[in-house]
Parts: sequence; structure tokens; C-alpha cells
Amino acid sequence: SQQGEEDPQALSIQEGENATMNCSYKTSINNLQWYRQNSGRGLVHLILIRSNEREKHSGRLRVTLDTSKKSSSLLITASRAADTASYFCATVGGSNYKLTFGKGTLLTVNP
Amino acid sequence: DAGVTQSPTHLIKTRGQHVTLRCSPISGHKSVSWYQQVLGQGPQFIFQYYEKEERGRGNFPDRFSARQFPNYSSELNVNALLLGDSALYLCASSPLSGGANVLTFGAGSRLTVL
Repeated sequence: SQQGEEDPQALSIQEGENATMNCSYKTSINNLQWYRQNSGRGLVHLILIRSNEREKHSGRLRVTLDTSKKSSSLLITASRAADTASYFCATVGGSNYKLTFGKGTLLTVNP
Repeated sequence: DAGVTQSPTHLIKTRGQHVTLRCSPISGHKSVSWYQQVLGQGPQFIFQYYEKEERGRGNFPDRFSARQFPNYSSELNVNALLLGDSALYLCASSPLSGGANVLTFGAGSRLTVL
């Protein structure tokens, strides 16, 4: 079963705009990770945020985590056409050996 | 350095057949995980192996099995294929077991069951 739920399911923006994707989850976590997937191929790790962290940055990416609301957001600034992909949040919980993925957000960046 | 390699990349089987998917982890990575991704969904955890031992198993029937070899490569076997087994099967490796590790995924094996 899916743990996380991304919102929106699909997002279409113009190059240069910012893209924000949200993720909600149901149970307590050790960490939350964001992955990108191009055209149904392998996933690429973007960023990991631990349960005791509130915000993390990596290049044009900014991730926030609110454990009280069981939610996270991924912000991509100054988007590029190459950012077009599906984005998934994945949580690591008590089992500590598996990632539980959401259904993903399909981001389309128009040139 | 080579990334995670999976074979075959595409395959077509018929119901009732058996399939073996293979995965070679990044050199030095001792943990391999398998995920199933049905079209339009996020990946679902099937197995994790570390140092040739099963560390975790997802909610999949016994038709699914896996193993890890001394060189840390891994095989996923699925018996008595059903139409619903059609999916992208993803292998991922990490240096150690445990959720704090970042997974590196292969490009996947796309299985179509007719």
C-alpha cells in the first residue's frame, strides 16, 4: 500500500517558473526522500530530510518537512524543460529497510 | 563507475510462465532491493537483501522470490505469471542496509504478461 500521497497529481508550468509539490503521509517516519523519474525509467534520488529536520536545500531544490502535519513539500525554483519528470516522495518508517512511495506528481515544464 | 545494471530491459511472457530478472549493484554496495512499479503508480517494495540474507519482504505472494549471490548481484524470480504482474521491476543498491541509506536505482526491467 502507498504511504505518501503527492499533490497535485499533475502540474504544468512555463520555464523559469517555480514548481511546488506536496506530499502527505500517514505514520511516523525516520526520514523522507524525494526521487525523480524520467519517462518510466529508473528513479534518481534528489534529497533526503530526516525527521528532526525542518528544511533542506540542494541547488534549485528546497524541501520542507512538517512532522506534526505529516507533510512535506518540494520546491523547484527557476524550472527548466529538463525538469519534466515524475516526482515521488518516499518515507522510511519503523521497519527501516524499505521506502514507501506515493503515487507521484507528473511535472511538465513547457519551453 | 558503472551504475546499477538490470537485465533484460524488456521481456514478454505469457500467463503461467516463469521469469528471472537480474541485477548487478554498484561496486562496493552490499544491499540490493527490488521494487515493482505498475503503470501510473509509485514503486512498491518487494524484497531487500543484505550480505546474502533477506532483510525484508513486502506484501507479495510466494510466487515472488529472490536471492543474492556472493558477489552481491541478485535475481528476482516470479512463478506462475499473472496478467497483473505486468510492471516495471526496479532494482536498487546501497552500501549498507537500513532506511538512512540513499538508494541508487537501475533503469528497470519492463515485464509484459500476455
